[in-house]
Amino acid sequence: DAGVTQSPTHLIKTRGQQVTLRCSPKSGHDTVSWYQQALGQGPQFIFQYYEEEERQRGNFPDRFSGHQFPNYSSELNVNALLLGDSALYLCASSSKGAGGTETQYFGPGTRLLVL
Amino acid sequence: AQSVTQLDSHVSVSEGTPVLLRCNYSSSYSPSLFWYVQHPNKGLQLLLKYTSAATLVKGINGFEAEFKKSETSFHLTKPSAHMSDAAEYFCVVSDSQGWGKLIFGQGTELSVKP
Repeated sequence: DAGVTQSPTHLIKTRGQQVTLRCSPKSGHDTVSWYQQALGQGPQFIFQYYEEEERQRGNFPDRFSGHQFPNYSSELNVNALLLGDSALYLCASSSKGAGGTETQYFGPGTRLLVL
Repeated sequence: AQSVTQLDSHVSVSEGTPVLLRCNYSSSYSPSLFWYVQHPNKGLQLLLKYTSAATLVKGINGFEAEFKKSETSFHLTKPSAHMSDAAEYFCVVSDSQGWGKLIFGQGTELSVKP
């Protein structure tokens, strides 16, 4: 049973560019959440997708957007990249669209470097 | 608002000695609490979770945590450290009244000396 997968593993972009990160959830999961982890920090919640809709959003600007596909996979898009967007981006999946008691399983992350 | 505070940014122990990683939480209602571990250049792995069942929660790799409502604490312990336990540990509270947004502490780096 494959766990949560993310692609690419590493990415280098320049300021002002746009980037798309991808996530496939664990088999049987229908909810995908995205987190940003800056160096030396704990992950910060970006947003969560369920039934192809953004259900909850953290304190991130509109430059961060996402999408969920009918097969539950998800994309995170970041426009107009800033140096401060350099971070590890983590995807987590959970099941049943439930709330806070469901365990979220994390992928290995995509490390983004903005130059 | 919910939050967690990890009281130590770095803990160093010798192999074979006990591990204690401290976490305090703040929540307006009964929280769901988790401990995750992150090895270098890896994603996050769930160690254990508390969701208002037994207050002593057993996890993987010999770790356990005790939920103490009176102290608003959820400390992580292990009787005997192993070299492979060296990693970053995160105490996490879930927004259980919403859709399960996870709120992370700042992390505790555990070093294990031979």
